[in-house]
Amino acid sequence: AQSVAQPEDQVNVAEGNPLTVKCTYSVSGNPYLFWYVQYPNRGLQFLLKYITGDNLVKGSYGFEAEFNKSQTSFHLKKPSALVSDSALYFCAVRDSPQAGTALIFGKGTTLSVSS
Amino acid sequence: NAGVTQTPKFRVLKTGQSMTLLCAQDMNHEYMYWYRQDPGMGLRLIHYSVGEGTTAKGEVPDGYNVSRLKKQNFLLGLESAAPSQTSVYFCASFRTSQGQHGYTFGSGTRLTVV
Repeated sequence: AQSVAQPEDQVNVAEGNPLTVKCTYSVSGNPYLFWYVQYPNRGLQFLLKYITGDNLVKGSYGFEAEFNKSQTSFHLKKPSALVSDSALYFCAVRDSPQAGTALIFGKGTTLSVSS
Repeated sequence: NAGVTQTPKFRVLKTGQSMTLLCAQDMNHEYMYWYRQDPGMGLRLIHYSVGEGTTAKGEVPDGYNVSRLKKQNFLLGLESAAPSQTSVYFCASFRTSQGQHGYTFGSGTRLTVV
């Protein structure tokens, strides 16, 4: 079965520093990987996705993610964190067509950016 | 605006009461999903549908039923609510078209069972 893991419940960074939110995956076949962000009491917002092609994927709000097949990772990165980036971040993988092509989510990582 | 609409946005139920959550999409998407979000658990799939008239169980289906009588609507029912069903519920839809692999999420329903 497809799965993703987010090994850190919380990541703390200072404003202006680079940030990384980690995600590893386990899939059979080619992975379709996603990152979403959720601000307090809000819905999910799509950040970026990897389907195929370039291993470095650029997304919304200055975020990017690096797909690493050998390490089965898809870490989310940003060169310079903002206080407004503080939110809950989810990594997700698309399940097989036999399982309805649903997104399978990690447990989430809370990003806290201090000023 | 095109998208996924969930109703209601908030609801408080007493234990044992029943209710139905409605998810409506106007994008002609084939696939629809119901998730629940609980702190520290991420989003977990309850039920899904790959087309009108078809439904299937996800990871946490117990205590819920669903129906997809019309392509645009996906209903989630709680026949006898329990405090363990206190959660935030999200609906999503999906369609692959011209290389796009986009999922659209509703804004969520916050349900409290007392």
